[in-house]
Amino acid sequence: NAGVTQTPKFRILKIGQSMTLQCAQDMNHNYMYWYRQDPGMGLKLIYYSVGAGITDKGEVPNGYNVSRSTTEDFPLRLELAAPSQTSVYFCASSPGTANSPLHFGNGTRLTVT
Amino acid sequence: QQQVKQSPQSLIVQKGGISIINCAYENTAFDYFPWYQQFPGKGPALLIAIRPDVSEKKEGRFTISFNKSAKQFSLHIMDSQPGDSATYFCAASKAFNKFYFGSGTKLNVKP
Repeated sequence: NAGVTQTPKFRILKIGQSMTLQCAQDMNHNYMYWYRQDPGMGLKLIYYSVGAGITDKGEVPNGYNVSRSTTEDFPLRLELAAPSQTSVYFCASSPGTANSPLHFGNGTRLTVT
Repeated sequence: QQQVKQSPQSLIVQKGGISIINCAYENTAFDYFPWYQQFPGKGPALLIAIRPDVSEKKEGRFTISFNKSAKQFSLHIMDSQPGDSATYFCAASKAFNKFYFGSGTKLNVKP
C-alpha cells in the first residue's frame, strides 16, 4: 500500500511557465484534496473532490485548476506560474466517512522565480 | 477570514514537561476536530481527534480538551519527549467534508 503519492518532490519554475502536480492514491478513497502550506500560515485548501468527475473550490483556488477523471488521480494544474505560488503543496485523500482522517502525501516543494 | 485560530506559533518545552497548544473556532457547524503532527519533509499525519459530544479524549501521552461553549479546544502532550519535536496543526471539519487548518505550532522539546 503506497497511500498517497505525489510527484515531483521538487520543482523550480520560471514566471509564466505551467506545470501539473501529480497525485495518486491507492486506498479507493472518494475524497481528495489539494492544500498549500506557507510558513506561519498553516494549510490552505485549494481545491477538493468528492468523487470522479466532481470538483469544487477551496479557500485559495485562484491560479489553479484541477480535474478528477478517475478515483485514483487528482492532478493540480498551474497555468501561468507566479512567485506567489511558491509553496509546498500537499495532496490528501479520505474515505469521507465518519471519523475518517485525511491521509497526506509527502508534498511537492515548488519555487517560482 | 481564518476559520481556525491556533496559538502559540512556537513552543519550547523541557523533556518531561507538558506541552499545551490551543485552538479556537467560530463555525458552530464544525463536528470533527483532529490534530495532525508533521515532521520536516513529510506530510501531516493524524495524531488524535475528537467529536464535540465529549469534553476530553486521551490517547497515551496525548489529550484533547474540548470546550464547546467557548468554541475552543487544546492539545496537551504529557511527559514531552525530544521525539515529539514537530509542527502540530489543529483542524476542524463539517460532515468530514472540507477540513480547515490552524496556522501550526512548532514544538521543540529540549533534552
